Amino acid sequence: SQQGEEDPQALSIQEGENATMNCSYKTSINNLQWYRQNSGRGLVHLILIRSNEREKHSGRLRVTLDTSKKSSSLLITASRAADTASYFCATVGLRDRDDKIIFGKGTRLHILP
Amino acid sequence: DVKVTQSSRYLVKRTGEKVFLECVQDMDHENMFWYRQDPGLGLRLIYFSYDVKMKEKGDIPEGYSVSREKKERFSLILESASTNQTSMYLCASSLFAELYNEQFFGPGTRLTVL
Repeated sequence: SQQGEEDPQALSIQEGENATMNCSYKTSINNLQWYRQNSGRGLVHLILIRSNEREKHSGRLRVTLDTSKKSSSLLITASRAADTASYFCATVGLRDRDDKIIFGKGTRLHILP
Repeated sequence: DVKVTQSSRYLVKRTGEKVFLECVQDMDHENMFWYRQDPGLGLRLIYFSYDVKMKEKGDIPEGYSVSREKKERFSLILESASTNQTSMYLCASSLFAELYNEQFFGPGTRLTVL
């Protein structure tokens, strides 16, 4: 399975600190995506990084991808209370439409005031 | 902005009832998906559709069926609801050429089967 697995399962940090979440997967991928889910709501797409990319930025988000280690990290800088949510990585395999997207189980991030 | 709406936020049904979950998207997306989300299991794909009247099984289609009569609407049907189908159901859509890239999710329907 190419399932992404997030680490840690839960993370609590003080507001203003940086938060780092990791995702590991098992087989080669076409791309890896990060989504955010606020409690009881749907998922919101944050960022997509392709297998030939190493790093992407979007506002306070920085995503890295290391295909040799089959891992990715999501860094949220200068965290805010509104960043409290669950974060999921999702991997898409190489066979394009024949490969399904697979979501990990998520990291629950809690920003302390 | 893409908007994906789901017919109910919360739903309570009895075992054996037929249940319809409706999803509508307003951005002319070709692809639509149904997932269920359970604690400790993450999101699992039930069915998806890449065109009107087309459907493909996901990872856990047993006990479910779907209907896509119009491009903007994708329905999930539980023919005879069972307690193990109590879950959060999430609908999503995406552009045809971006099947699994940037999916847009609805707010979810929390279904309880008694």
